[in-house]
Amino acid sequence: GAGVSQSPRYKVAKRGQDVALRCDPISGHVSLFWYQQALGQGPEFLTYFQNEAQLDKSGLPSDRFFAERPEGSVSTLKIQRTQQEDSAVYLCASSSALAVTDTQYFGPGTRLTVL
Amino acid sequence: AQRVTQPEKLLSVFKGAPVELKCNYSYSGSPELFWYVQYSRQRLQLLLRHISRESIKGFTADLNKGETSFHLKKPFAQEEDSAMYYCALSPLTGGGNKLTFGTGTQLKVEL
Repeated sequence: GAGVSQSPRYKVAKRGQDVALRCDPISGHVSLFWYQQALGQGPEFLTYFQNEAQLDKSGLPSDRFFAERPEGSVSTLKIQRTQQEDSAVYLCASSSALAVTDTQYFGPGTRLTVL
Repeated sequence: AQRVTQPEKLLSVFKGAPVELKCNYSYSGSPELFWYVQYSRQRLQLLLRHISRESIKGFTADLNKGETSFHLKKPFAQEEDSAMYYCALSPLTGGGNKLTFGTGTQLKVEL
């Protein structure tokens, strides 16, 4: 079946522009996660949804970052007034249920470059 | 706070040699530990996790709570093992199931 998909795969933005990154999780998956991966680093947690509820947004680096999942399926990560330090790969992952042992399936990521 | 440390950015071994990728963690509660792998031009995927106690592609990992380590081992490296490996941690209770990753180790298996 189809895995997690993300779009666009690549995004170049000028500093100060707003961007929106989309994640389509595996159908029926309850949990959805966003991670940020800077060059040479491991992924870092940004935020977590259980269905449409955003249960944890402790990893969002500033109030310029906003995520939503209004119908409990597709999610959008929005970054306002992008800065150069926002350049990274943004990964989305989904899992079928709520247990910590449930596998998180990752998308291919969106590579954001801010000039 | 939880932290995962992978001390080696790059590990180069010859085909057929044993492999050990190091992972140490710090967490005050009970963690679940994972190894994720990313092959060239592919997405991040789960390799194995402690709770399953399984061997995947010949790899095993043992949780040592005394040394707070979860090293990944394979007795005989294969060329197809060349990839980026990430150790990750998630709280078993009370912390949701977000993952905290290490910085990764690039494994290169040479012929």
